[in-house]
Amino acid sequence: QKEVEQDPGPLSVPEGAIVSLNCTYSNSAFQYFMWYRQYSRKGPELLMYTYSSGNKEDGRFTAQVDKSSKYISLFIRDSQPSDSATYLCAMSRTGNQFYFGTGTSLTVIP
Amino acid sequence: SAVISQKPSRDICQRGTSLTIQCQVDSQVTMMFWYRQQPGQSLTLIATANQGSEATYESGFVIDKFPISRPNLTFSTLTVSNMSPEDSSIYLCSVASWLGSGNTIYFGEGSWLTVV
Repeated sequence: QKEVEQDPGPLSVPEGAIVSLNCTYSNSAFQYFMWYRQYSRKGPELLMYTYSSGNKEDGRFTAQVDKSSKYISLFIRDSQPSDSATYLCAMSRTGNQFYFGTGTSLTVIP
Repeated sequence: SAVISQKPSRDICQRGTSLTIQCQVDSQVTMMFWYRQQPGQSLTLIATANQGSEATYESGFVIDKFPISRPNLTFSTLTVSNMSPEDSSIYLCSVASWLGSGNTIYFGEGSWLTVV
């Protein structure tokens, strides 16, 4: 079983829609959770960082962590064509070793 | 957050040649990593670059193929040796940096190599 599972998509939504991206994980010791956005042929850019459980909001982005279900989510409100990218989840137990999902490809259609 | 500069950003390489990728960070960092991302795949850790000592390689990666240097806390190089088309990939330099309650990881823009 992989440490981190992420649906690769692709996901296609109309502009303005609410997007929900998800990852599940197997290691209950993970306590640091991250979401990255990666445009084509570029390096991943850190979007959201969460420690332990709970929600975190930053503009149109909300990250949610449910440790009891081993499930994390990223919500994008009022999605824009510029949000079209691959979104990677990542997590860590100690902050020294990181585990990545395979990424979900998102296209926002104008 | 750390600013990470990588070069070259992209290159087309001949089979059998070697290419060195440079990574410069704008601040001193303890942990620096090299990742590979093959087309359509997620990130695979190649090695941790250790300052002043040999890099720590992950399973499936060896020093002869991917020699790494880390002469100080702001700079590292990764060489891809004797390249084959299977080495066509994005190579990413990354650093771990303290963010509030713990470390997170930041990436450079990547070096996109195509081997022909």
